[in-house]
Amino acid sequence: QLQLQESGPGLVKPSETLSLTCTVSGGSININNYYWGWIRQPPGKGLEWIGSVYYSGSTYYNPSLKSRVTIFVDTSNNRFSLYLSSATAADTAVYYCGSLRGGSYNEVDYWGQGTLVTVSS
Amino acid sequence: DIQMSQSPSSLSASVGDRVTITCRTSESVRGFLNWYQQKPGKAPKLLIYGASTLQSGVPSSFSGGGSATDFTLTISSVQPEDFATYYCQQSYSMPYTFGPGAKLEIK
Repeated sequence: QLQLQESGPGLVKPSETLSLTCTVSGGSININNYYWGWIRQPPGKGLEWIGSVYYSGSTYYNPSLKSRVTIFVDTSNNRFSLYLSSATAADTAVYYCGSLRGGSYNEVDYWGQGTLVTVSS
Repeated sequence: DIQMSQSPSSLSASVGDRVTITCRTSESVRGFLNWYQQKPGKAPKLLIYGASTLQSGVPSSFSGGGSATDFTLTISSVQPEDFATYYCQQSYSMPYTFGPGAKLEIK
């Protein structure tokens, strides 16, 4: 079964770019009908969809973040990455990566354990 | 964006009780409705997808129902490990929005 693991800095300064990588193991990122997504959760709050990428490189971004978000897929290393520019304290959250079954109901069937990113000087 | 609501936002129950959580969407999501369980400090876990299909490995005490804009998650007999927060999510229209959550606590 798939395993996903987030990695990246836990502390980002305001106005800088938040960058995280999700490494996929137990299967190939080049799976037909599987998408790869990022979701975040501010401390004590609910879940927010950030965006997703297909192995071909096609992406979807939440319009609320679209001007600041980029998601890349690196098929040779079986991983995908999130970049969020101009970070502010409002971006402080636990960031999860997940796999979406596009051939089903687009549900997130596997999740990474999550990584807390704090935006602070 | 499709707006999501859940009720109740919190509920208390005893072991063995039957509980139901409701999720409502601002427009029809045609069955593209998923339920997740989240425990403190952990990632969400998929319970039900497509409104009513139980994810592999999830106890049969969990069930989902509904269609269009109104959906339910039912636990037929609450067990100690079921005390958690439950989120619904629509995966019909991007962005795939989540409900605000329903926290199930021990009575």
